[in-house]
Amino acid sequence: GAGVSQSPRYKVAKRGQDVALRCDPISGHVSLFWYQQALGQGPEFLTYFQNEAQLDKSGLPSDRFFAERPEGSVSTLKIQRTQQEDSAVYLCASRLRWGFTDTQYFGPGTRLTVL
Amino acid sequence: DAKTTQPNSMESNEEEPVHLPCNHSTISGTDYIHWYRQLPSQGPEYVIHGLTSNVNNRMASLAIAEDRKSSTLILHRATLRDAAVYYCILRDTGAGSYQLTFGKGTKLSVIP
Repeated sequence: GAGVSQSPRYKVAKRGQDVALRCDPISGHVSLFWYQQALGQGPEFLTYFQNEAQLDKSGLPSDRFFAERPEGSVSTLKIQRTQQEDSAVYLCASRLRWGFTDTQYFGPGTRLTVL
Repeated sequence: DAKTTQPNSMESNEEEPVHLPCNHSTISGTDYIHWYRQLPSQGPEYVIHGLTSNVNNRMASLAIAEDRKSSTLILHRATLRDAAVYYCILRDTGAGSYQLTFGKGTKLSVIP
């Protein structure tokens, strides 16, 4: 079946612009995660949704970062007034249900470059 | 989540077995050991997980030390497609532990 999809795959923004990154999770998956991956590093947690509820946003680096999942399926990560340090790959993952052993399925990521 | 230690990089010849080590000396009794891998330009993908006993699946085997302070991911016959960064992650069964905490992982190169 279809996996997690993300769009756009690549985004170039000028410093100060706002960007919106989209994630389409696997149908029926309750949990959704956003991660940020800097070059040469492992992914770092940003935020977590269970259905439409954002249960954890402790990893968001600043108040310029905002995520939503209004209907419990598609999610959007928005970055306002982008800075060069925001350049990274943004990964979305979904999971069927809550559980510590449940597999997370990752999308291919959106590579954001801020000039 | 408890910390893990992995070598930065490893090399293997194609069609030979690969043993990827992970040290987790501060593991607690409720921590599961998960392995994910990330192929170039892709998101991470699940490989295997275990708690105490060794585990096998179609992708790999996971060997867990008796004291659980280390584990080894075993790829039985490395292929070029196995070239990736492999992450060893501990997942606490306690409430609130939703996300995966990645380290830098081990970059595996497979030589034809």
